Amino acid sequence: EVQLVESGGGLVQPGRSLRLSCAASGFTFSNYDMTWVRRRAPGKGLEWVANINPAGSDMYYVDSVKGRFTISRDNAKNLLYLQMNSLRAEDTAVYFCARDPRLPDVWGQGTTVTVSS
Amino acid sequence: DIVMTQSPLSLPVTLGQPASISCRSSHDLVFSDGNIYLNWFHQRPGQSPRRLVYKISNRDSGVPDRFSGSGSGTDFTLKISRVEAEDVGVYFCMQGSHWPPTFGQGTRVEI
Repeated sequence: EVQLVESGGGLVQPGRSLRLSCAASGFTFSNYDMTWVRRRAPGKGLEWVANINPAGSDMYYVDSVKGRFTISRDNAKNLLYLQMNSLRAEDTAVYFCARDPRLPDVWGQGTTVTVSS
Repeated sequence: DIVMTQSPLSLPVTLGQPASISCRSSHDLVFSDGNIYLNWFHQRPGQSPRRLVYKISNRDSGVPDRFSGSGSGTDFTLKISRVEAEDVGVYFCMQGSHWPPTFGQGTRVEI
């Protein structure tokens, strides 16, 4: 079964860091661009956050997280990461990993990040 | 960034009746490879999004044929020919043709 499972979310104070992980299974992970998408509030729209190419050499970020978030991957372990530094209240969201940013066909169940003092 | 505007944002439906959701993009969505990366998703509370249609009109495997996508240029539509109870939830469009990928606000479908 093709599957993505996120982990690492939680409650964190403003200015602190958190690392999200996304475990892939059921497909050849190293063949795909991978992406992180977030939903900041229930019922609100989705926002693309970051993207990484199969080799892990090209990364793209939404302007609001540039310089604070880093997307990376470990193809040997079938893992996708999102290192989030200098977190702000506005980063509070459910974070989803997904396969293929242009045609996201597989999504994880999401992990919740709450930034609050 | 490309703005994706959906309408309506709330759609009361009747079981067995048709339903239609519109999605308009602020810019043409033709990618350099000639494709238009316009996708439709369905999401139920507490669940991850499920892709229903990709590249305007291609239905994903396992998606009932009562769902259909159409459109061109900047105007796209998702239609449900006969609404069933399991179709409730939020539907949203998404463009992957231009960076960054962007999503519509979502349309809440309720019986």
